[in-house]
Amino acid sequence: GAVVSQHPSWVICKSGTSVKIECRSLDFQATTMFWYRQFPKQSLMLMATSNEGSKATYEQGVEKDKFLINHASLTLSTLTVTSAHPEDSSFYICSARDPAGRRGTDTQYFGPGTRLTVL
Amino acid sequence: GENVEQHPSTLSVQEGDSAVIKCTYSDSASNYFPWYKQELGKGPQLIIDIRSNVGEKKDQRIAVTLNKTAKHFSLHITETQPEDSAVYFCAAWSGRLYFGRGTQLTVWP
Repeated sequence: GAVVSQHPSWVICKSGTSVKIECRSLDFQATTMFWYRQFPKQSLMLMATSNEGSKATYEQGVEKDKFLINHASLTLSTLTVTSAHPEDSSFYICSARDPAGRRGTDTQYFGPGTRLTVL
Repeated sequence: GENVEQHPSTLSVQEGDSAVIKCTYSDSASNYFPWYKQELGKGPQLIIDIRSNVGEKKDQRIAVTLNKTAKHFSLHITETQPEDSAVYFCAAWSGRLYFGRGTQLTVWP
């Protein structure tokens, strides 16, 4: 089946530093990847949609300069949290669409998530 | 945009019993409805999905039904097991996925 990986699985950083999270589609090429944020006991909140080779589309209220997204290849997207602060602490999850998948072009597969803690 | 409502927020069942989770959506243009299972500290896992041209789909102990006229869809889990305990999210696709708030399912042995 379609597998999406994330690295790192967890990270602790000091306030003011930047953190990069990688999302990879392991066995398919993903033209579109998505980044979500999830708070404890809440649903997934879409942050941005990234298409390979073009700029990401951010949801309303998400700071573009704070959450930098790069989708440089068909199998890799990165989310960089710049100048992180304690309020950025959260569970970040990526997902990818498999355009050639058997289940249909709009099926999304999720990564295992990255737990970010900013001290 | 699309609005997805999910009920109940918590559900406790005895092992072997059935569990039903219901969702409604608002956008009649939505045409794809996946269900995800999320275990604590992990990413959501796609467990079953249904498209708007189908009324029902089954995969072993899991089934999903869709009523386009009423704009609601449901997840049915039969013969529940303790390992089914997790948070389940419904979603509707309308240009992007819109998620329900989730249902915490607990299966007691």
